[in-house]
Amino acid sequence: EAQVTQNPRYLITVTGKKLTVTCSQNMNHEYMSWYRQDPGLGLRQIYYSMNVEVTDKGDVPEGYKVSRKEKRNFPLILESPSPNQTSLYFCASSLPTGAPPYEQYFGPGTRLTVT
Amino acid sequence: QKEVEQNSGPLSVPEGAIASLNCTYSDRGSQSFFWYRQYSGKSPELIMFIYSNGDKEDGRFTAQLNKASQYVSLLIRDSQPSDSATYLCAVTPGAGSYQLTFGKGTKLSVIP
Repeated sequence: EAQVTQNPRYLITVTGKKLTVTCSQNMNHEYMSWYRQDPGLGLRQIYYSMNVEVTDKGDVPEGYKVSRKEKRNFPLILESPSPNQTSLYFCASSLPTGAPPYEQYFGPGTRLTVT
Repeated sequence: QKEVEQNSGPLSVPEGAIASLNCTYSDRGSQSFFWYRQYSGKSPELIMFIYSNGDKEDGRFTAQLNKASQYVSLLIRDSQPSDSATYLCAVTPGAGSYQLTFGKGTKLSVIP
């Protein structure tokens, strides 16, 4: 089954404790992206990756890191989480080639609470 | 700053009626336009995309695009209670881009 998976689905942590949210896709997609979703602010892009070893900042990259060492995986790293990073996080991936529409497939989401 | 604007709602329609959801975008060079449906606490699900001016129909859904007015809409005919969700408009910028800029979404409530 074609899918994007994220782990963990729920996480409660404390300020300053490093954490990683994993994202994996089995569709051989080149493009992967991380979003956060907050009430009243909508979905905002954190980082994206066009391919292995190619990453770039989205609209809200501060406090986050990513890596893309393999095509299927795109982990999101919070080196020192803070309460303002409490949010619902989505990973997404896109079709590898060709013309629009570049449909993005979303993972199930990770709800992160930082206390 | 590329912007995508939607009325936040809630938009309430009776069951069986037509729901009309609207979206405007600021980047005149935008190429592709998407409508996602998102149930509370769930991930966005693509329901329609359009990239040419005019209408595109898929079942009960019709997407309408007017690039001159920088306006895209989604019509849901014969609305059902199961259509109650937040609808997100998303736009990609120029050709070759994989970026998506989302609107904040319109919450639709279909009243039985």
